[in-house]
Amino acid sequence: GAGVSQSPSNKVTEKGKDVELRCDPISGHTALYWYRQSLGQGLEFLIYFQGNSAPDKSGLPSDRFSAERTGGSVSTLTIQRTQQEDSAVYLCASSLAWKDGTGYTFGSGTRLTVV
Amino acid sequence: QQQVKQSPQSLIVQKGGISIINCAYENTAFDYFPWYQQFPGKGPALLIAIRPDVSEKKEGRFTISFNKSAKQFSLHIMDSQPGDSATYFCAASRGHQAGTALIFGKGTTLSVSS
Repeated sequence: GAGVSQSPSNKVTEKGKDVELRCDPISGHTALYWYRQSLGQGLEFLIYFQGNSAPDKSGLPSDRFSAERTGGSVSTLTIQRTQQEDSAVYLCASSLAWKDGTGYTFGSGTRLTVV
Repeated sequence: QQQVKQSPQSLIVQKGGISIINCAYENTAFDYFPWYQQFPGKGPALLIAIRPDVSEKKEGRFTISFNKSAKQFSLHIMDSQPGDSATYFCAASRGHQAGTALIFGKGTTLSVSS
C-alpha cells in the first residue's frame, strides 16, 4: 500500500490477556520501528528491525513484550499478560535504510485499552 | 534518562504570530535532528530536519535553528495558522550509523487561535 498500515485500530482487552498488534510497512522499506505513545510521555522507542540484522530490542519495557518481523515485511508486536499500564497508542513506522537520512512514515497506530 | 528535552509542553499563539518550540539534547553523538507534526488520530509526520553541519534550515514557514555548542535546537513557525494546531515532536539520532532509532521529546501541543 501507499502507507504504513496498522491493525486493529482499536483494541480493548482484559487484564491478563495476550494481544497481538500488526504492522504492514511500506513496500521496500527495510527498517521498521515500534513506538508507544502514552499521554504526556511522548513517543517511547520499543524495538527496531533493520533488514536481516538482529533487532534492537533495547526499548522493550519488560519480557512480556516481544516482536517479530516475518520475511522482512509484516511485523507483529505481542504483549503477554497485559497490564493496565500497557494502555497506550502503539505506533509502527518504516523507513529506507538510515544512511539515506530519510524520515519515518508512521501508521495511525493501534489504541490499546486494558480493562 | 531523558535524552531529548522539549519545551514548552503546550503553547497558544494568535493567528499570524510566531510559534517557537525548543529542544535540548545530551548525547553529542547525535547527528540528525528532525521535527514531526501529529494531528489527532494520526501518526506523526516528518516536518523538517537538520544535520549539525548547518545552523539553520528553512522550509516555507518552518525554520529549524541549531546551536551545536549549546546542544539545543528549535522550531520556529512563522505566520502561524489555525491549521498548524497539532502536537510537535523533536527527535534526535545518530543518523549516519545503521542500527539506531530516533529518540523523541515529549511533545508540544500547539493551538493557534483565529
